[in-house]
Amino acid sequence: AQSVTQPDIHITVSEGASLELRCNYSYGATPYLFWYVQSPGQGLQLLLKYFSGDTLVQGIKGFEAEFKRSQSSFNLRKPSVHWSDAAEYFCAVGAYNQGGKLIFGQGTELSVKP
Amino acid sequence: NAGVMQNPRHLVRRRGQEARLRCSPMKGHSHVYWYRQLPEEGLKFMVYLQKENIIDESGMPKERFSAEFPKEGPSILRIQQVVRGDSAAYFCASSPPTGTEAFFGQGTRLTVV
Repeated sequence: AQSVTQPDIHITVSEGASLELRCNYSYGATPYLFWYVQSPGQGLQLLLKYFSGDTLVQGIKGFEAEFKRSQSSFNLRKPSVHWSDAAEYFCAVGAYNQGGKLIFGQGTELSVKP
Repeated sequence: NAGVMQNPRHLVRRRGQEARLRCSPMKGHSHVYWYRQLPEEGLKFMVYLQKENIIDESGMPKERFSAEFPKEGPSILRIQQVVRGDSAAYFCASSPPTGTEAFFGQGTRLTVV
C-alpha cells in the first residue's frame, strides 16, 4: 500500500537548535517527494521538492532534505530554528504522471521555545 | 500572478443543507485537485479534475459529494445534505498541464452545526 509516515506527531525545539523531521514513504512507482508547511488557519506552502538528481535538496527558509532510497526516507532538516518556524509540517509523495495527486503524512507539529 | 483562490474561507451550514466550495486555479493551470483535512489529520486526496473532465475521483465519498470544473469559471466541490462529520478544511490545489507540483489555496473551513 502507498503511504507516508511521519513518526513524530509533535516536536519541541529551542530557538537556535537544529531540527530534523522524519518522513518515511512506501510507494510503488518512482517517488516525487515534497515537504509543505502549514501555519494555523492557513494553506500549504511548498518548502522543497525532490524529483531526481542530487539527493540533498535545498528549499526556502533555510530548510533542506535528503532523499535516501535505501531507507525510503526524506527527512527535513534545518541547522538553526527560528521562532517563526513554529507550524505544522507535512511530507507528501506523488508520481510523475499523477500531477498534484499526493499522499500526505499525518503531519508533525513543531513548537519552538525561547 | 494571483495564487489559487478559494472561497468562501469559512462556511457554516446546518445539517441537511448544501455546501458549495469554489476554487479558481492559478493562471495557466488546467488541473485542479481537491483535498480534505479532518481535525488533527493530514490532507486526503478527494478528486482530480481537468476542464470538463473528472480524471480521478478515487478519494471522493460515494454519496453526497460531487465536483466539477467547467469550461468557464471556477471548480466547484458540492456537498449535499451535510452532516457533522463533513466539518473539515477543504483545500484546492492546481498545477499546469505538464506540472508535477501542486500549488495550494488557503482552504475553506466548513463547519456543520
